[in-house]
Amino acid sequence: AQTVTQSQPEMSVQEAETVTLSCTYDTSESDYYLFWYKQPPSRQMILVIRQEAYKQQNATENRFSVNFQKAAKSFSLKISDSQLGDAAMYFCAYRSGSGGGADGLTFGKGTHLIIQP
Amino acid sequence: ETGVTQSPTHLIKTRGQQVTLRCSSQSGHNTVSWYQQALGQGPQFIFQYYREEENGRGNFPPRFSGLQFPNYSSELNVNALELDDSALYLCASSLGDWDYGYTFGSGTRLTVV
Repeated sequence: AQTVTQSQPEMSVQEAETVTLSCTYDTSESDYYLFWYKQPPSRQMILVIRQEAYKQQNATENRFSVNFQKAAKSFSLKISDSQLGDAAMYFCAYRSGSGGGADGLTFGKGTHLIIQP
Repeated sequence: ETGVTQSPTHLIKTRGQQVTLRCSSQSGHNTVSWYQQALGQGPQFIFQYYREEENGRGNFPPRFSGLQFPNYSSELNVNALELDDSALYLCASSLGDWDYGYTFGSGTRLTVV
């Protein structure tokens, strides 16, 4: 079974600064997908960014980028120019590339990101 | 386009009772999955329905069951409620071609007393 580990229960950053959230995962599969989700107090999970394991290039979405190290099974999220609206719980998630997604997403325990004004 | 809506938003039930939670998928989505998120934890996969058939299940007992209807709305049923079933239940919909990603609802907060 796959596992996802987020070792930082809480992170704090000054507004406009850069912060990196860590995620490691364990799998024996070679084909898989990784995600970062944001969960604000509204409780809705919002997709921030995703990475296909077969792509070597790191995904980027505006101020959000990832550092995907497949051999090390590491998938960190970098948030540049942090904004107050970035404050939320951030979850790293894994999905198998086989089975049509029938195994669902495997989530880490989350990192609570605090933005200091 | 509409998102994923879940009802009710909050619910309190007594241990041993049964509960039904509802989810209306995003327009055009034919796949729905359910997750349980205990306080301070990440969501855990319960099961997935594709075109009205369960096609995947996580490590949850049979008292957790579901339905998907022809309009792709969905229900999660939990029988014989236990105190540990207290959690946020999230529904997520997607196209069969998952590349479009999962759209999550805001969840139902279930408290079992």
